[in-house]
Amino acid sequence: NAGVTQTPKFRVLKTGQSMTLLCAQDMNHEYMYWYRQDPGMGLRLIHYSVGEGTTAKGEVPDGYNVSRLKKQNFLLGLESAAPSQTSVYFCASTTGTIGGAEQFFGPGTRLTVL
Amino acid sequence: AQRVTQPEKLLSVFKGAPVELKCNYSYSGSPELFWYVQYSRQRLQLLLRHISRESIKGFTADLNKGETSFHLKKPFAQEEDSAMYYCALLSGANNLFFGTGTRLTVIP
Repeated sequence: NAGVTQTPKFRVLKTGQSMTLLCAQDMNHEYMYWYRQDPGMGLRLIHYSVGEGTTAKGEVPDGYNVSRLKKQNFLLGLESAAPSQTSVYFCASTTGTIGGAEQFFGPGTRLTVL
Repeated sequence: AQRVTQPEKLLSVFKGAPVELKCNYSYSGSPELFWYVQYSRQRLQLLLRHISRESIKGFTADLNKGETSFHLKKPFAQEEDSAMYYCALLSGANNLFFGTGTRLTVIP
């Protein structure tokens, strides 16, 4: 039982390049999330999904797209990377129980955009 | 709009001393609050939630609606408590709204 896994762990991009971050969970969770963590700003929600085939915008969605084609996977895409997207990205998942379900986090992906 | 404020970015205490990490919130509905912790080289994980009213690793947190606070307390800090602590507010669709975090260092 691996929990929440993220691929890749590290990545360096040049401005304008694109990439996809993969999040996978093996806990049969309905809800999945993508956050970015920046110094002094905590974690901010980028996009989330409440079930297979659904996605929704979070607090800071601009410049990112997501897809949830399979229940266990949640992909985060950067179509044209910018230096402002240099950050640590965390994926999380939780059950569909409304009200206070624990979120389980992945190990993070450190992205640098030059 | 919701807001979670953690006024201290850094907090240092000596081993055995009491520790209090402050968290204030702003939310129009009935709040559900959490503390998450990230130890060095580990994943972010749930420490405790106010609805459980439990003590985890000696930490407690009481929701004070009058003062809109959810401070995290421990009477005797240990070195292994050194970590980054985030206060979080539940906001619709099981979304969490995080504060900016407090890095706690326990000095031996």
